Amino acid sequence: EDQVTQSPEALRLQEGESSSLNCSYTVSGLRGLFWYRQDPGKGPEFLFTLYSAGEEKEKERLKATLTKKESFLHITAPKPEDSATYLCAGGGYGQNFVFGPGTRLSVLP
Amino acid sequence: DVKVTQSSRYLVKRTGEKVFLECVQDMDHENMFWYRQDPGLGLRLIYFSYDVKMKEKGDIPEGYSVSREKKERFSLILESASTNQTSMYLCASNGPFNTEAFFGQGTRLTVV
Repeated sequence: EDQVTQSPEALRLQEGESSSLNCSYTVSGLRGLFWYRQDPGKGPEFLFTLYSAGEEKEKERLKATLTKKESFLHITAPKPEDSATYLCAGGGYGQNFVFGPGTRLSVLP
Repeated sequence: DVKVTQSSRYLVKRTGEKVFLECVQDMDHENMFWYRQDPGLGLRLIYFSYDVKMKEKGDIPEGYSVSREKKERFSLILESASTNQTSMYLCASNGPFNTEAFFGQGTRLTVV
């Protein structure tokens, strides 16, 4: 069965304290690994797509990387406005996505 | 910018009512999805559609139906709302070949 897990469940950082979020996946025929940011009460906002092991994507303080079993979202020198829930999802056969439960990030000033 | 628009941000309905949630996308995407999101359960797929008038059941289709009469519009129908359908409902769309999905702003539905 296809599955995506994320760790940690919640993460509290001080402003400027870099860290990484983990996404582990077992998705048959993975066709893409997606990262989203979700603010409370809103829909997920697309961040990155990674298609093959070794690929990296960057956007401001965020960098996403992909291996054959995991993806990492690295956050460098975070700011309070980076506080959100970060979701990863695997796209497998067919058109569906398998979402992880998310990591709730809090960045304290 | 891709836009996926859901008709309501908040809805309050009574048990037994028929409820319509509407979603419109402006990117000519083939695929559209309806998810519900509950604390501790994450995003769960209710239905998706890969073409006009085509639909596939997701993981939790019971108590729901969908309609896609036009490519840009995907409706979720709760035939007889129940309190356990109180949730955040999210619509999404994407193009072919597992490209990224774009989400609407969500509809917070409360059934009383």
